[in-house]
Amino acid sequence: KNQVEQSPQSLIILEGKNCTLQCNYTVSPFSNLRWYKQDTGRGPVSLTIMTFSENTKSNGRYTATLDADTKQSSLHITASQLSDSASYICVVSVNKLIFGAGTRLAVHP
Amino acid sequence: NAGVTQTPKFQVLKTGQSMTLQCAQDMNHNSMYWYRQDPGMGLRLIYYSASEGTTDKGEVPNGYNVSRLNKREFSLRLESAAPSQTSVYFCASSEEGGVNEQFFGPGTRLTVL
Repeated sequence: KNQVEQSPQSLIILEGKNCTLQCNYTVSPFSNLRWYKQDTGRGPVSLTIMTFSENTKSNGRYTATLDADTKQSSLHITASQLSDSASYICVVSVNKLIFGAGTRLAVHP
Repeated sequence: NAGVTQTPKFQVLKTGQSMTLQCAQDMNHNSMYWYRQDPGMGLRLIYYSASEGTTDKGEVPNGYNVSRLNKREFSLRLESAAPSQTSVYFCASSEEGGVNEQFFGPGTRLTVL
């Protein structure tokens, strides 16, 4: 079983709508939890980094939350844009990075 | 700054052929990494170099070798390519160690026939 599980695997939303991506992890404790955005044909780019003690971190229209009790993190995207179409990867950092398989988001006009 | 660069961007090999994937970073980072990304799976670490002159195996090192040529460059070599090595390969770098933010290159899409 993967130590970092993401859901859903894929998601289609209309431009302007909000969405929330989920990440469940079994690794504990950890140094930090990150969300990366990966555009098609590109490498992952960091969106947010949260330490074990942080509950929320925002980066523009992206807001990540962390619940250490339930071992869950979520990434909320507000007022989606076509450029948000990408894969979003949850990564937990211990002495190495443990990557989730990602959620593929498609934003349609 | 170019960040992390990788060459080539695409490559097709026949089974048994060899090739070297090149990676360079201009951020003066100490640590560099090679990952592979396969459909439906998270990135998996092949090899890493915590600092110039050192290399260590990651999660999936079999069939690969690496060279940390200098602080900027970290290459990945496939000595005898196999279809199971068909994947997208990413190089990354960070200031120190695995817990710091890693910056990724654009990837190399490799197909082994």
